[in-house]
Amino acid sequence: DIVMTQTPLSLSVTPGQPASISCKSSQSLLHSDGKTYLYWYLQKPGQSPQLLIYEVSNRFSGVPDRFSGSGSGTDFTLKISRVEADDVGVYYCMQSIQFPLTFGGGSKVEIK
Amino acid sequence: EVQLVESGGALVQPGGSLRLSCAVSGFTFSNYWMNWVRQAPGKGLEWVATIRQDGSGTYYVDFVKGRFTISRDNAKNSLFLQMNSLRAEDTAVYYCAKYTRAMGVWGQGTTVTVSS
Repeated sequence: DIVMTQTPLSLSVTPGQPASISCKSSQSLLHSDGKTYLYWYLQKPGQSPQLLIYEVSNRFSGVPDRFSGSGSGTDFTLKISRVEADDVGVYYCMQSIQFPLTFGGGSKVEIK
Repeated sequence: EVQLVESGGALVQPGGSLRLSCAVSGFTFSNYWMNWVRQAPGKGLEWVATIRQDGSGTYYVDFVKGRFTISRDNAKNSLFLQMNSLRAEDTAVYYCAKYTRAMGVWGQGTTVTVSS
């Protein structure tokens, strides 16, 4: 199974400041089709998860451009350029290059 | 509008069974793989099962194999999760999600509590 490791576990950010979350996979997520199957989700308090970023760096429909994803192979990063109050919640990375699909443990973002 | 609405969650005794449903609208259900994902209280997300468009292939996380069965009825735009031999550790909110390698649309979840 591919293990997804996220850091930090939690971060407290001043509004308007940047934030960054790291996700490392135990195996490369680069598929033979050339795509890298790494995704980022945000679960706001009391809500279902929502897709933010697909295939490392593509913003899902309606996701603000202050969110960006980068990385390759086994190392990935989600960045929020200027954190807003609406960004609080738990962020998860997920791989879908192979079954079982696996999620990172989550990174909780709070506002200072 | 794309909608996924789960139902069927309940309080059930250990060893009992439950069938979850997910009613889908707003997209051509039969064109998409579908997932079940769960979240235990205060814990992270955990993938449970996936089913191909026509039901010809199913995939499960190890700890539900032999106990849970994912299925679908494309004529009724519905996804199901039959859960047998339930254990306390199966207590969670269960979400259905549309799957295209990503899970772009999620339902609101249905709560399963396994307790005596």
